[in-house]
Amino acid sequence: AQTVTQSQPEMSVQEAETVTLSCTYDTSESNYYLFWYKQPPSRQMILVIRQEAYKQQNATENRFSVNFQKAAKSFSLKISDSQLGDTAMYFCAFRSGQGAQKLVFGQGTRLTINP
Amino acid sequence: EAGVTQFPSHSVIEKGQTVTLRCDPISGHDNLYWYRRVMGKEIKFLLHFVKESKQDESGMPNNRFLAERTGGTYSTLKVQPAELEDSGVYFCASSQDLTRRFSPLHFGNGTRLTVT
Repeated sequence: AQTVTQSQPEMSVQEAETVTLSCTYDTSESNYYLFWYKQPPSRQMILVIRQEAYKQQNATENRFSVNFQKAAKSFSLKISDSQLGDTAMYFCAFRSGQGAQKLVFGQGTRLTINP
Repeated sequence: EAGVTQFPSHSVIEKGQTVTLRCDPISGHDNLYWYRRVMGKEIKFLLHFVKESKQDESGMPNNRFLAERTGGTYSTLKVQPAELEDSGVYFCASSQDLTRRFSPLHFGNGTRLTVT
């Protein structure tokens, strides 16, 4: 069974700083998807970024980028020029590339951006 | 387009009572998922509908939980009788057909269930 681990329960940085959230996963599959979801206080889960395992290039979405290390099974999220609106719970998630479409989530990291 | 809608947003019930949660997916989305986050823990998969059929219900914790999706539109998740450990946030998500290589999940705001 796949597992996802987020080792940082909480993080706090100053506005405009760069912050990196860690995520490791365990799977025997070679084809899969990885995601970062954001859950602000409003509770709406929002997809931040996704990575397909067969792609070597790291995904980027504006200020958000990932460092995907397939051999190490690591998938960290970097937020550049952090903003107050980035304050949220961040969840790393895994989805198999075949068969089951369900997401396997990590425990979450509570990120606070301070003014 | 309207997003995934969940009702109620918050429910407080006593142990032993029954609660029914509702999810309205995005129109046209065949896939509907239920997830649950117990306080401080990871979000866990409960089950997956494809239209009105249960594709995967491996995450349902026990037979006190009953999910339905009559007509392949909205879904309900009933907990009967509720226990203290059922407290948490219940999320619903939907996506389009799985024949696409990637079909993103759209989540609702969740229902916070508190069992006292």
